[in-house]
Amino acid sequence: AQKVTQAQTEISVVEKEDVTLDCVYETRDTTYYLFWYKQPPSGELVFLIRRNSFDEQNEISGRYSWNFQKSTSSFNFTITASQVVDSAVYFCALSENNQGGKLIFGQGTELSVKP
Amino acid sequence: GAVVSQHPSRVICKSGTSVKIECRSLDFQATTMFWYRQFPKQSLMLMATSNEGSKATYEQGVEKDKFLINHASLTLSTLTVTSAHPEDSSFYICSARAQQGIPPEAFFGQGTRLTVV
Repeated sequence: AQKVTQAQTEISVVEKEDVTLDCVYETRDTTYYLFWYKQPPSGELVFLIRRNSFDEQNEISGRYSWNFQKSTSSFNFTITASQVVDSAVYFCALSENNQGGKLIFGQGTELSVKP
Repeated sequence: GAVVSQHPSRVICKSGTSVKIECRSLDFQATTMFWYRQFPKQSLMLMATSNEGSKATYEQGVEKDKFLINHASLTLSTLTVTSAHPEDSSFYICSARAQQGIPPEAFFGQGTRLTVV
């Protein structure tokens, strides 16, 4: 069965600190996709990244970076030099290739960045 | 990225009435649309999957007679909450997928916050 676990419910940091959001997934499929979304208080989901199961290369986009490790079924997300505007709920999600594109979401991590 | 528009963004309705929420793909044809529900402080849970021109597939525990989904065209899917009750108050959000056979790209609408009083 597919499952996504974000063990950190809430994280609070002070501006300029680095913060890592953890994501662990379970799947029996060999082809799957992992996503990260940001959900600000307004509610919309902001797409951050998609990674397929065959691409374990880490990715960096500005202050954001992602560490995908199939050996530990993890897809962690790091924000470097956090800013107040990073405050939001962050969701990790899984889509299996044979499921037509539907997403299984983790429980979400609420990040609060204080000035 | 592609644009998905959801309307209305907020709605308040009286208990017992029905509410329709629209999800439109503005610049691509969506063969598949997904409807999710999110209760406060919780995750997003898939309610149903709709494919254009066919009946929606509902997740376990979702009442298909209460949450009517119509996907009559490649750019529009609607979710109707029938005989709404206060426990249906939630954030409903749709996503749309362009076509099969390519990596899934889930483009989300802005969401609809439903309050049943």
